[in-house]
Amino acid sequence: EPEVTQTPSHQVTQMGQEVILRCVPISNHLYFYWYRQILGQKVEFLVSFYNNEISEKSEIFDDQFSVERPDGSNFTLKIRSTKLEDSAMYFCASHGDPTGANVLTFGAGSRLTVL
Amino acid sequence: AQSVTQPDIHITVSEGASLELRCNYSYGATPYLFWYVQSPGQGLQLLLKYFSGDTLVQGIKGFEAEFKRSQSSFNLRKPSVHWSDAAEYFCAVGRLWTSYDKVIFGPGTSLSVIP
Repeated sequence: EPEVTQTPSHQVTQMGQEVILRCVPISNHLYFYWYRQILGQKVEFLVSFYNNEISEKSEIFDDQFSVERPDGSNFTLKIRSTKLEDSAMYFCASHGDPTGANVLTFGAGSRLTVL
Repeated sequence: AQSVTQPDIHITVSEGASLELRCNYSYGATPYLFWYVQSPGQGLQLLLKYFSGDTLVQGIKGFEAEFKRSQSSFNLRKPSVHWSDAAEYFCAVGRLWTSYDKVIFGPGTSLSVIP
């Protein structure tokens, strides 16, 4: 069964450093998302991306965050200068249904720890 | 705005007992509703979804959920719980007006199963 692949599975970084989280969505999917889950809390929407541009972003997704689809397969989330509160599990998701019945397929997540 | 509540933060049941996890949503139109499960250290797996039609939907792993518009609820049920069902369960609601609309998650219910 096709799956969404995320790397790294766990990254530890120092506060103020840049981090790039990578995702390979399912190959024929066109709609991409990042969500995050702070430990013990709910899964929060960060951003949606379609046709090489951001479709929607949440209040969390400030100027420190950016997303990119640098080639035909990868979808990345960059945090420019990490803060302690960025420590969380970050989930990538995708779907391929243009009718709107968007059942999201999620990756296993990338755990980010900011020290 | 869309919102999802899951009144039970944590539930403990005995193996073989029945299970019902509650979910209430707030949305101005007919929502699209989902239940996801997250095992420890894992990603989010779709259990079932409701888009339209029959208000009782069947999912994987023996789960079912019933959409009740009058109560704004979408409760998840399973007649006989297995130890492997211990996990975090998230109810989610989607607007799906466009193909790139986001899905909003509830806070989750943690399920423990006693042997």
